[in-house]
Amino acid sequence: GIQVEQSPPDLILQEGANSTLRCNFSDSVNNLQWFHQNPWGQLINLFYIPSGTKQNGRLSATTVATERYSLLYISSSQTTDSGVYFCAGADGGATNKLIFGTGTLLAVQP
Amino acid sequence: DVKVTQSSRYLVKRTGEKVFLECVQDMDHENMFWYRQDPGLGLRLIYFSYDVKMKEKGDIPEGYSVSREKKERFSLILESASTNQTSMYLCASSLPGMRETQYFGPGTRLLVL
Repeated sequence: GIQVEQSPPDLILQEGANSTLRCNFSDSVNNLQWFHQNPWGQLINLFYIPSGTKQNGRLSATTVATERYSLLYISSSQTTDSGVYFCAGADGGATNKLIFGTGTLLAVQP
Repeated sequence: DVKVTQSSRYLVKRTGEKVFLECVQDMDHENMFWYRQDPGLGLRLIYFSYDVKMKEKGDIPEGYSVSREKKERFSLILESASTNQTSMYLCASSLPGMRETQYFGPGTRLLVL
């Protein structure tokens, strides 16, 4: 099956700093998404981004499908950005079955 | 807003007990999913369902079963809980189709003693 690797595994930032999180896939994926899990466990979808670039406020994401990777950019980080960031993709089957990476744990310090 | 609720936030059970985790969604989604989350392993799919009474095994179905008698409700059953099933369990739902977002419940932290 498809393998999803995320880097870095952990990241500590000072408030206001920028960061880039990376997601590599071992094979082509459909339905590439980024999620944020807050410190209380709630997972929320950030982006659906099979290719190209999207922006939402201080967050943006870029996927280069031909090279099988995606990047999540966080600018001017805030303490509320803390948590775990996951990328996930579907393996092309008929159902919306996602394969998740192991996540990047982000801690933003005031 | 899509709402996915799970029956318990925290649960403590003893080895050998039968455990039921319930998930309810209010957006008439066809697809529902059960994942477990463990440190360093990300989310792993246990089972999913794409319609009432329909189910498919995910990547780690051993030791689990599921039930979907109504469209809005998807239950995960641990037939005989074991300590290695101590984990965070997350339920999600989505519309059918490859482009659809999965919406997650708040999770259930299960401790098996």
